[in-house]
Amino acid sequence: AQSVAQPEDQVNVAEGNPLTVKCTYSVSGNPYLFWYVQYPNRGLQFLLKYITGDNLVKGSYGFEAEFNKSQTSFHLKKPSALVSDSALYFCAVRDGGYSTLTFGKGTMLLVSP
Amino acid sequence: ETGVTQTPRHLVMGMTNKKSLKCEQHLGHNAMYWYKQSAKKPLELMFVYSLEERVENNSVPSRFSPECPNSSHLFLHLHTLQPEDSALYLCASSQGTGGITDTQYFGPGTRLTVL
Repeated sequence: AQSVAQPEDQVNVAEGNPLTVKCTYSVSGNPYLFWYVQYPNRGLQFLLKYITGDNLVKGSYGFEAEFNKSQTSFHLKKPSALVSDSALYFCAVRDGGYSTLTFGKGTMLLVSP
Repeated sequence: ETGVTQTPRHLVMGMTNKKSLKCEQHLGHNAMYWYKQSAKKPLELMFVYSLEERVENNSVPSRFSPECPNSSHLFLHLHTLQPEDSALYLCASSQGTGGITDTQYFGPGTRLTVL
């Protein structure tokens, strides 16, 4: 079975500081990992995904994520946070043997001015 | 975000009503999905359609009935719902047929309240 965990319900960071939103996963095969963002009253927007290749994946809006196989993690990062980055972030995983995505419960990111 | 549209955006219904949610994708995708998003819970996959055929049904109660008349449209028919069905219902589509590298694109959702 596949699962994903986002250990933090909320992350607070000051504008201009680096941010990290954590995600760990569990799969039986090769992991395929995704990050989505949800702004208030909106659907989920795709940010980036890891399929294979470089462990550092770059995505939309200056976000990037680092795949770490030994730690089974896929943390989302951004060097300098913006107030407009405040939103709900979801990590998702797909096991090689499955076609459906399993989502984490989400992490609320709050960036203060 | 305009690639996948959902109507209505908000819906309030009584437990004896019958209503339908509509989703339309303008991306030329072959697979479509219904998800339920409840507060403080992970997204729950409800239904998956690939090339207009249902390929997955995650033990959803029969009071939810999906319909996919073509690859661009997906409906969720609702009848005799319960208050605990109140949630944000999200539609998504993807280019492939749910393959492992496929990326799903979401609509804005329908906020459903059952009284």
